[in-house]
Amino acid sequence: DAGVTQSPTHLIKTRGQHVTLRCSPISGHKSVSWYQQVLGQGPQFIFQYYEKEERGRGNFPDRFSARQFPNYSSELNVNALLLGDSALYLCASSLGPTENTEAFFGQGTRLTVV
Amino acid sequence: TQLLEQSPQFLSIQEGENLTVYCNSSSVFSSLQWYRQEPGEGPVLLVTVVTGGEVKKLKRLTFQFGDARKDSSLHITAAQPGDTGLYLCAGAKAAGNKLTFGGGTRVLVKP
Repeated sequence: DAGVTQSPTHLIKTRGQHVTLRCSPISGHKSVSWYQQVLGQGPQFIFQYYEKEERGRGNFPDRFSARQFPNYSSELNVNALLLGDSALYLCASSLGPTENTEAFFGQGTRLTVV
Repeated sequence: TQLLEQSPQFLSIQEGENLTVYCNSSSVFSSLQWYRQEPGEGPVLLVTVVTGGEVKKLKRLTFQFGDARKDSSLHITAAQPGDTGLYLCAGAKAAGNKLTFGGGTRVLVKP
């Protein structure tokens, strides 16, 4: 069984550019969440999606947006990139918001903004 | 403000020693998960605790959830170099809800 897959694994962007990160959840999982992990810190919640609807949003600016597709995969978009957006972006897959809370993470996308 | 406080932030021990990592909060969580993360990788789920006072064992790792479901601990017996990594606790306020992570405890086990 494939786990959570994220692409790309690494990315370098320039300030002001836009980036799209992608995530495919574990087969059978309908909920996808996105987290940002800055070096030396624990992950911070950005978004949760279930059945293509946003179920939760963390304390991030409107430059951050996401969506979920009918096949439950998801994209995270960040506009007008800032140096401070450099981080490991993690996607977590879970059964659904009414199920247990066990979340399984992908390997992450390392975004570097220069 | 970190809702979940982990201590210590860093721990360096010799192979064979024991260690304990603490995860504390003033909030009640419906469940708490422990993860281990290696450099450049995503967190890997170790265990989920749900019931207050619950104790779970995973080989040399023992996890405990506080009676009031506000705190947890991870104890490793006879640590090995393979236990080296960043240990993260994460709490959920409700089923399927977002996870709130602690700042992590970096463990280094020297051979």
